[in-house]
Amino acid sequence: KNEVEQSPQNLTAQEGEFITINCSYSVGISALHWLQQHPGGGIVSLFMLSSGKKKHGRLIATINIQEKHSSLHITASHPRDSAVYICAVPGNQFYFGTGTSLTVIP
Amino acid sequence: DTEVTQTPKHLVMGMTNKKSLKCEQHMGHRAMYWYKQKAKKPPELMFVYSYEKLSINESVPSRFSPECPNSSLLNLHLHALQPEDSALYLCASSPAVPNYGYTFGSGTRLTVV
Repeated sequence: KNEVEQSPQNLTAQEGEFITINCSYSVGISALHWLQQHPGGGIVSLFMLSSGKKKHGRLIATINIQEKHSSLHITASHPRDSAVYICAVPGNQFYFGTGTSLTVIP
Repeated sequence: DTEVTQTPKHLVMGMTNKKSLKCEQHMGHRAMYWYKQKAKKPPELMFVYSYEKLSINESVPSRFSPECPNSSLLNLHLHALQPEDSALYLCASSPAVPNYGYTFGSGTRLTVV
């Protein structure tokens, strides 16, 4: 069983749509990361959060530590948001989710 | 400086070649990591260095040889690779292990021919 599960695996949206990506984890953590990876590119950290909600531009991340669940929301999606979004939890290493491949169509 | 810098960005090598990947950070981080990522898969941990000492080796074949000459620099020496070793190799660093402030490099795209 993976320590970190993500859904959906693939997501296609029309430009402007509201997008939600979900992440559930089984290990005990104090913080969770949301990462973004464009095709062929390196990984960029979007958020690190340990409680409640964080917002950065059109991106919002929420976490419920008791339920071991986090969500990443994108408001007013844009084609440049097309990327793979990965949730990850830290420990002696980083435990990665399987990623959500998002395509936003103009 | 808040970056992890990896060089080269792209590398093509033959199966008999010897090459090295380089990773550098100047954030004072004391833990550094090598990950391997195949297409459409999450990164897989290869090695962890903590305070310049190898602390985790995830059963990586000996044709991959890591080296941490100092706290800012991490190398991955490659020798006698196979075509299936072609992948994106990512370096990351964090203040310590375990820790939450991971920073990733942009990766080296390796092709073995």
